[in-house]
Amino acid sequence: DTEVTQTPKHLVMGMTNKKSLKCEQHMGHRAMYWYKQKAKKPPELMFVYSYEKLSINESVPSRFSPECPNSSLLNLHLHALQPEDSALYLCASSQEFGQSQNQPQHFGDGTRLSIL
Amino acid sequence: RKEVEQDPGPFNVPEGATVAFNCTYSNSASQSFFWYRQDCRKEPKLLMSVYSSGNEDGRFTAQLNRASQYISLLIRDSKLSDSATYLCVVKPPGGGATNKLIFGTGTLLAVQP
Repeated sequence: DTEVTQTPKHLVMGMTNKKSLKCEQHMGHRAMYWYKQKAKKPPELMFVYSYEKLSINESVPSRFSPECPNSSLLNLHLHALQPEDSALYLCASSQEFGQSQNQPQHFGDGTRLSIL
Repeated sequence: RKEVEQDPGPFNVPEGATVAFNCTYSNSASQSFFWYRQDCRKEPKLLMSVYSSGNEDGRFTAQLNRASQYISLLIRDSKLSDSATYLCVVKPPGGGATNKLIFGTGTLLAVQP
């Protein structure tokens, strides 16, 4: 069982809809991440939050809007998405971000998003 | 040259076989290394971190060769349940905003009965 929980597991939405993906972890981790993964490709980093502040935005289109309400929660707000945005969206967390020691990231089981 | 390179496979092996995957990385100053496994339509799960002295976890052995800049994963006595994509993951040097994980494209393993 994953210690990073994502909801919903599946989401189908139209291009004009607004929806949100949610992620929660209770491991006391202070870094949280959003990744996008297309079929047969590795995960691509989208955003990094460190101590609830946005540290990295990998030039993600503004139709994706992240939010970190507190140290345990991470949201991804979606609006006016395109069909090419259909993918598996993964949340991950780690103890810290930007440290040199060996700190793996732990992934949630993802939200499979389909844009009609 | 890609930052992290893996043979995409697929590796088709019979149950009980020993199989090895290699992964090369381009930045010689990289600091941390991991193997993740990802089942079809599931999330990546940490299999093991890779330490300089090499490390073993049951049937799995990971090795790091800094001089040649490659990491290996050895799986002994393969099980059907080992079938998955194995992702080589490297953390480059530096701190702050540069400290992101770099993923290889993954190696697909299919263990046959």
